[in-house]
Amino acid sequence: GESVGLHLPTLSVQEGDNSIINCAYSNSASDYFIWYKQESGKGPQFIIDIRSNMDKRQGQRVTVLLNKTVKHLSLQIAATQPGDSAVYFCAENNFGNEKLTFGTGTRLTIIP
Amino acid sequence: DAGITQSPRYKITETGRQVTLMCHQTWSHSYMFWYRQDLGHGLRLIYYSAAADITDKGEVPDGYVVSRSKTENFPLTLESATRSQTSVYFCASSAAEKLFFGSGTQLSVL
Repeated sequence: GESVGLHLPTLSVQEGDNSIINCAYSNSASDYFIWYKQESGKGPQFIIDIRSNMDKRQGQRVTVLLNKTVKHLSLQIAATQPGDSAVYFCAENNFGNEKLTFGTGTRLTIIP
Repeated sequence: DAGITQSPRYKITETGRQVTLMCHQTWSHSYMFWYRQDLGHGLRLIYYSAAADITDKGEVPDGYVVSRSKTENFPLTLESATRSQTSVYFCASSAAEKLFFGSGTQLSVL
């Protein structure tokens, strides 16, 4: 069936380094992708999104890259800080009706 | 403050009991959702609602009931709780395809 998955369940990065979190999706018809950040004990929080007509989108310290050829999505976090420690989820919109499908998440740990 | 609130924050119940989790949003968003979050499964959609009095099943609806008589409220009821329903439950509303989540309800069924 259609799914959104993550390559790695955990990622440890030195403080100040850049982080890259990857996500694979299988539904070629998906046209909207979102990254969420979830800190311990809290609900997921929107970080950045991208439409399928774009390859790259930048926010504050974050960049999302979309490769539609291989159905791959990545989230790059520049100069990681302790506050970036969280679980990151990618999500895709399958049907254009505001119903998202989430991946299982990647836990990012920042090493001081 | 405006936003989406869930109650209770924590709940412990016994198998067979009925439990209702509350969700309230102040944005007047049309769409609302209930997700459960379990290790290894990520966020799975239980039910969603496109508007008041319009609800539909998600990926894992069995054992749950929802209602939406008012736009701002979207309660989730476990009619007869089972241990497999121990989980963290998140309510969300959406605008322009972006979901905004509540803080969650941690439910333990003993």
